[in-house]
Amino acid sequence: SQTIHQWPATLVQPVGSPLSLECTVEGTSNPNLYWYRQAAGRGLQLLFYSVGIGQISSEVPQNLSASRPQDRQFILSSKKLLLSDSGFYLCAWNLGTYEQYFGPGTRLTVT
Amino acid sequence: SQQGEEDPQALSIQEGENATMNCSYKTSINNLQWYRQNSGRGLVHLILIRSNEREKHSGRLRVTLDTSKKSSSLLITASRAADTASYFCATGHDYKLSFGAGTTVTVRA
Repeated sequence: SQTIHQWPATLVQPVGSPLSLECTVEGTSNPNLYWYRQAAGRGLQLLFYSVGIGQISSEVPQNLSASRPQDRQFILSSKKLLLSDSGFYLCAWNLGTYEQYFGPGTRLTVT
Repeated sequence: SQQGEEDPQALSIQEGENATMNCSYKTSINNLQWYRQNSGRGLVHLILIRSNEREKHSGRLRVTLDTSKKSSSLLITASRAADTASYFCATGHDYKLSFGAGTTVTVRA
């Protein structure tokens, strides 16, 4: 069966520091991968999605970037965090079906 | 951008009662999905209804879709404490989903 991992689970970072969040999917090949951000009490905002290695589509221009160095690895990065980057970051995958399967999330607090 | 909007924003019911929440959306869709999120956790897919379907059931869940009104409803029957969560509708187009802000459901024992 497929499993999706995210780490770290929680992170507290100062403004201006770099960021790297990792998402890994096990048990499948060539998944579509997605990064979402959820502000407190809000819905999900799609940040990036990838349909293959090296293929990244950005949905919202902002202080973040994404990379897919391996088939089942999706990384969300920032060179300098802003206060507004705080939120709950969720990674998801699917295999071309419409349903998406979510990881446990990373709670990021920028101080 | 958020395609769907759920209504109400919050709902509090007694265990055993039914919970109904609604979702409205703006543009044409391939499908509409409902997800559940327990506090501080990832989302769990509940049910998908395609644009050519009008009603779908899964266990205690019943989803309806009215494409002429661009709306959907999720009914949870015989609610349990474990149903306490936020529920989100999401509209699908191509590979992507657009989520609403969610309905927070509290089931009181």
